[in-house]
Amino acid sequence: AQKVTQAQTEISVVEKEDVTLDCVYETRDTTYYLFWYKQPPSGELVFLIRRNSFDEQNEISGRYSWNFQKSTSSFNFTITASQVVDSAVYFCALSEGWGKLQFGAGTQVVVTP
Amino acid sequence: DAGVIQSPRHEVTEMGQEVTLRCKPISGHNSLFWYRQTMMRGLELLIYFNNNVPIDDSGMPEDRFSAKMPNASFSTLKIQPSEPRDSAVYFCASSSTGTNQPQHFGDGTRLSIL
Repeated sequence: AQKVTQAQTEISVVEKEDVTLDCVYETRDTTYYLFWYKQPPSGELVFLIRRNSFDEQNEISGRYSWNFQKSTSSFNFTITASQVVDSAVYFCALSEGWGKLQFGAGTQVVVTP
Repeated sequence: DAGVIQSPRHEVTEMGQEVTLRCKPISGHNSLFWYRQTMMRGLELLIYFNNNVPIDDSGMPEDRFSAKMPNASFSTLKIQPSEPRDSAVYFCASSSTGTNQPQHFGDGTRLSIL
C-alpha cells in the first residue's frame, strides 16, 4: 500500500506565480517524520526540510513554506514567487521506525519565464 | 564540507558483466543507504547499514545484488551478473547518529546495461 501520495504529476507555472505541492501520507505510528527533497534536472537529491509528527507548526524558509496538518495527514509545500531555478521534481517522504524513507512518486514543477 | 561521493557517475556495460558502484559517506555519519531510482518504480531503498552493519536488506531485488561496508568511509554495491532491467540511477545516502536524521544523497550513478 502506498504510504505517500503526491497526486500531482506535473505542475506548470509562469515565473513569479505561487505553486503548492500536495503530499498526503498514511501511517499508524504516532511518531513519524516527514521530509521534502528536491531533484533538479542535474539529478541530485537535495534535502529541504524534516518535520516530526509532534510539531505541527508551519515553517517558512525564504520563498519556501510548509503546511503540516495531522488532521488531514497532509504535508504541503508552497513555493512563493516561483523562479526558473525552482524547476525540479519534488519528493515528499515518510519515515517510520528506524528511519526508512518511503518516497512519494514526485511532482515535476516546470517554471517558465 | 564534502558531501556523499559516488563513483562512477555513469556506467555503461553489457549484460552479464559485473558492476561495482562505490560510495564514500559524509565523514561522521554512521548510517548509509543505497537507493535505486527508475521511472517505473520511483525511489526504492535497497539496503541500509548502521555502523557498517547491514540492518535492512529487504529491498535488495535478488541474489545478483550484494552490498558491503568494510569501514565507516566506504561502501560498495555490486551486481553480478548484470541484466538490462538493472538499468537505473543508483543513489547512496548517509545520515548522522539518531533515527530519522535527514539523509544526504550523493549525485548518483547512472547505470545502463546493454
